[in-house]
Amino acid sequence: DAGVIQSPRHEVTEMGQEVTLRCKPISGHNSLFWYRQTMMRGLELLIYFNNNVPIDDSGMPEDRFSAKMPNASFSTLKIQPSEPRDSAVYFCASSLKRTTTQETQYFGPGTRLLVL
Amino acid sequence: AQSVAQPEDQVNVAEGNPLTVKCTYSVSGNPYLFWYVQYPNRGLQFLLKYITGDNLVKGSYGFEAEFNKSQTSFHLKKPSALVSDSALYFCAVRGSRAAGNKLTFGGGTRVLVKP
Repeated sequence: DAGVIQSPRHEVTEMGQEVTLRCKPISGHNSLFWYRQTMMRGLELLIYFNNNVPIDDSGMPEDRFSAKMPNASFSTLKIQPSEPRDSAVYFCASSLKRTTTQETQYFGPGTRLLVL
Repeated sequence: AQSVAQPEDQVNVAEGNPLTVKCTYSVSGNPYLFWYVQYPNRGLQFLLKYITGDNLVKGSYGFEAEFNKSQTSFHLKKPSALVSDSALYFCAVRGSRAAGNKLTFGGGTRVLVKP
């Protein structure tokens, strides 16, 4: 199994530009999570999906952030327009949600974003 | 609301000595507890989890964790630390009464194992 795949691994952009981060979850998993990690705020959950449907987006910081999951094997996190304070490492994770069991989340390698 | 506390920002230990990373939690209902490790420039890797049953959980790389319901703790332990165990460790929790399957992570504890 290839694990969770994220692209790009590194992104450097200028303030005001649109940034799109991509994630391919583990095949067969039906839950997908987007996290942001910074030194100041630690690991924050931005949004998660079950069966391609957004369940909780309360962690999305502003309207500049949006996430989609058009199918079970692909998700995007978009920032438009980007700002320097968005600089962070963005992680995608996936899990297999069943009715009663607690599934483990598996993380991708992350996308390191730097907004100048 | 569910929460996790990792009271130590950093733990220093000599190679070969026992390692303990502390974690306490607060949730509604029965807790589901997880430990992850993050090496530099890498994603989080799953180490172990407690769902139910035996309070002592064994995981990857020789790590284990003990669930203590009365103290609401889930400390991570390793009997003999290796230099390669130097990394950032995260504790996470989900309550059985929580909606969805959202995990709450602690702030992380940096472990430094010195030769």
